[in-house]
Amino acid sequence: DTGVSQDPRHKITKRGQNVTFRCDPISEHNRLYWYRQTLGQGPEFLTYFQNEAQLEKSRLLSDRFSAERPKGSFSTLEIQRTEQGDSAMYLCASSPQRQGVGNEQFFGPGTRLTVL
Amino acid sequence: QKEVEQNSGPLSVPEGAIASLNCTYSDRGSQSFFWYRQYSGKSPELIMSIYSNGDKEDGRFTAQLNKASQYVSLLIRDSQPSDSATYLCAVTHSNYQLIWGAGTKLIIKP
Repeated sequence: DTGVSQDPRHKITKRGQNVTFRCDPISEHNRLYWYRQTLGQGPEFLTYFQNEAQLEKSRLLSDRFSAERPKGSFSTLEIQRTEQGDSAMYLCASSPQRQGVGNEQFFGPGTRLTVL
Repeated sequence: QKEVEQNSGPLSVPEGAIASLNCTYSDRGSQSFFWYRQYSGKSPELIMSIYSNGDKEDGRFTAQLNKASQYVSLLIRDSQPSDSATYLCAVTHSNYQLIWGAGTKLIIKP
């Protein structure tokens, strides 16, 4: 399977705990994105990597959130001191780098986080 | 504030009919436009992309773009119950960032 993969698929945690999610993009894609989605809403942009460089981070992202892509391949998203409001589906997507138009992003299956 | 607007629905269409989904966007500088399908509890799946004015057809799907009116639509011909899903419109804000609508829920009635 050459699609985007995410792990774990589901995570239940208690408020105040730290959680970490992993994303493995499509191998030839050098761009990687993290989104958060809640019920009835479109995906909300969190952050973006081109290779190992984190080029954009949403202003909505608090300092409890951090993401890395150390070797330009897989990425991790960590949430520290989780809050109930962090409960959502966390989506990872990847895309190839193209000049001009065209930024087709392909999504992984997502990680559903529930904070109790 | 760059926005993408979609009617939340639900849009109910009889099986075999044409489903028409609409999306408007506020940023005149947008260049790339995408339709994603999302089944309940699943992640978005890319079904169409369109970059220039006019129609683009792929099987039962046709995307239509009118940049002057800042309007993009998706037509689904011969609708099937398996087309029942939420359809998300996404528009590029920059070279990489997508701005998303909240989606239209489509229900195909057998």
